[in-house]
Amino acid sequence: DSGVTQTPKHLITATGQRVTLRCSPRSGDLSVYWYQQSLDQGLQFLIQYYNGEERAKGNILERFSAQQFPDLHSELNLSSLELGDSALYFCASSVETSETQYFGPGTRLLVL
Amino acid sequence: DAKTTQPPSMDCAEGRAANLPCNHSTISGNEYVYWYRQIHSQGPQYIIHGLKNNETNEMASLIITEDRKSSTLILPHATLRDTAVYYCIVSPMNYGGSQGNLIFGKGTKLSVKP
Repeated sequence: DSGVTQTPKHLITATGQRVTLRCSPRSGDLSVYWYQQSLDQGLQFLIQYYNGEERAKGNILERFSAQQFPDLHSELNLSSLELGDSALYFCASSVETSETQYFGPGTRLLVL
Repeated sequence: DAKTTQPPSMDCAEGRAANLPCNHSTISGNEYVYWYRQIHSQGPQYIIHGLKNNETNEMASLIITEDRKSSTLILPHATLRDTAVYYCIVSPMNYGGSQGNLIFGKGTKLSVKP
């Protein structure tokens, strides 16, 4: 158990819909990262937040957005969902940027 | 793109040591070598990391060559539960810097067989 929690574990939705994935970092960690893992793309970095502020962006689509709240939990919002958005979404956290990252169990999203 | 090269797959007999190689010939002086593993579709699990010296923890040992261009992760007594994809990643230790994301390659699929 890494100490990072993610909800929900599974999510099934339809194309065009919007979903929100939630992540609670380890106690004391200020930095939160979001990664997407699809069958054909492997694990890809989406976005990083540090103490409530966006710190780095990766291959995140404009239809996706994220935020980190004052209690340091983070949410990843995915809108106008497409079949290709079906993937595992992982959240990771670290004490500071560039410190060791610990991953949550992931949310499996299936878009039908 | 990932800055590391790993064999796509390896087999290991249960109870034997598993030695997983990684090439990172373009590693910079401020970059650490990290190892993670992913069992089935679970979240990647941190194993170990190092800069120059060899490192050991309760899970594994990390041997880094003197020129830092390659490393080997050693699982001393592999069990069936060690079957996973193992990722070698180089990442800068830029404390407080602007970028801390990990770049994952395809990793090595380790199969531990009875």
